[in-house]
Amino acid sequence: DTAVSQTPKYLVTQMGNDKSIKCEQNLGHDTMYWYKQDSKKFLKIMFSYNNKELIINETVPNRFSPKSPDKAHLNLHINSLELGDSAVYFCASSRGTSGNTIYFGEGSWLTVV
Amino acid sequence: AQSVSQHNHHVILSEAASLELGCNYSYGGTVNLFWYVQYPGQHLQLLLKYFSGDPLVKGIKGFEAEFIKSKFSFNLRKPSVQWSDTAEYFCAGNYGGSQGNLIFGKGTKLSVKP
Repeated sequence: DTAVSQTPKYLVTQMGNDKSIKCEQNLGHDTMYWYKQDSKKFLKIMFSYNNKELIINETVPNRFSPKSPDKAHLNLHINSLELGDSAVYFCASSRGTSGNTIYFGEGSWLTVV
Repeated sequence: AQSVSQHNHHVILSEAASLELGCNYSYGGTVNLFWYVQYPGQHLQLLLKYFSGDPLVKGIKGFEAEFIKSKFSFNLRKPSVQWSDTAEYFCAGNYGGSQGNLIFGKGTKLSVKP
């Protein structure tokens, strides 16, 4: 069973559309994250939730809105998609926030055309 | 500012060659260090991690890394690479008080020629 699973894996959509990426973890972790990997492979954190509370919110356009209905889920909704949003989005989770290992999902390849 | 840097952008080796990928982290108090590997088209997988204790840590697939505090380094090594080691390698640090924020280096692409 996949520990951190995200859907869809691939998404091609037009500029201006609204789309969501879903993430679920079955590890019993209380902290979940969204990371963005750009075309140069650089990884940067976008959001982090601990027990459904937002704890990290990096400089991300407010078109990006994470939602955590429970500790096992952290979804990412993106409004008014732009070409520059094309990237790979990785969901991740960990136990606590004090530096424990972070486990990553398989990534969602988003292409905006 | 807290940062992690990897010096090598692309490393090309022949099979059986030895590997060392550089990683340096900035001073920022307590830091936990990780090496992740990303095979083509796949997600990030943890190779090894250092929290405390023995500065030489062994990971999966024959990889090891040495934490040298005086040099702020955490280099990744493997005595003999295989074609299947072709991947992108990321060094990352989790600083105390960062609330779990994992700061990544820019990655090193390793290409192993058969």
